Amino acid sequence: QQQVKQSPQSLIVQKGGISIINCAYENTAFDYFPWYQQFPGKGPALLIAIRPDVSEKKEGRFTISFNKSAKQFSLHIMDSQPGDSATYFCAAYSGAGSYQLTFGKGTKLSVIP
Amino acid sequence: DTEVTQTPKHLVMGMTNKKSLKCEQHMGHRAMYWYKQKAKKPPELMFVYSYEKLSINESVPSRFSPECPNSSLLNLHLHALQPEDSALYLCASSQDNGGGTGASYNSPLHFGNGTRLTVT
Repeated sequence: QQQVKQSPQSLIVQKGGISIINCAYENTAFDYFPWYQQFPGKGPALLIAIRPDVSEKKEGRFTISFNKSAKQFSLHIMDSQPGDSATYFCAAYSGAGSYQLTFGKGTKLSVIP
Repeated sequence: DTEVTQTPKHLVMGMTNKKSLKCEQHMGHRAMYWYKQKAKKPPELMFVYSYEKLSINESVPSRFSPECPNSSLLNLHLHALQPEDSALYLCASSQDNGGGTGASYNSPLHFGNGTRLTVT
């Protein structure tokens, strides 16, 4: 019940295309859903985050869509660029006194010119 | 560049060595974390300090010993490691309102760039 299932495991998108990464969860106590971007040799960096009372959040080319009833959320990267090539982790956090951030298994995105 | 600084960036140590990893942040965060990340895997939580006190130990072997000298510093002391302990060790920090709620929407985790540890 603590898992966050992330798909696909890897994704190849052409420059200018839309990259879509999906995540699903079971634990209804999760109340905070961040996405982290990690480049090789670097630590994860917070990209964008959403709470379940919001259905969509957009920051620049990055958008999170959230479907509370389906317990699913997704990251859309519009106009994907080669510089977006990285591993993306969705995560979920239960604010009820827990420090544990549950990560998905990650998606390796490659944006080809 | 990240606001969480980790040193060293790379470390090679033998199984009989003793070494320490260091982490520093100056964002005023009161929760600090150690994560371990193996290749092509997500980070795994090891330890959490809240207000300089150990709050969480995720059943980590005693050959890893954390220390939080003050609110800005976090160390991880290593002794008698095994080759399977080779990994990227990440430090992170977040605000903590003292109620034990740690990271949240308003205080996300900030990661350092990690120490790449190789145990020979």
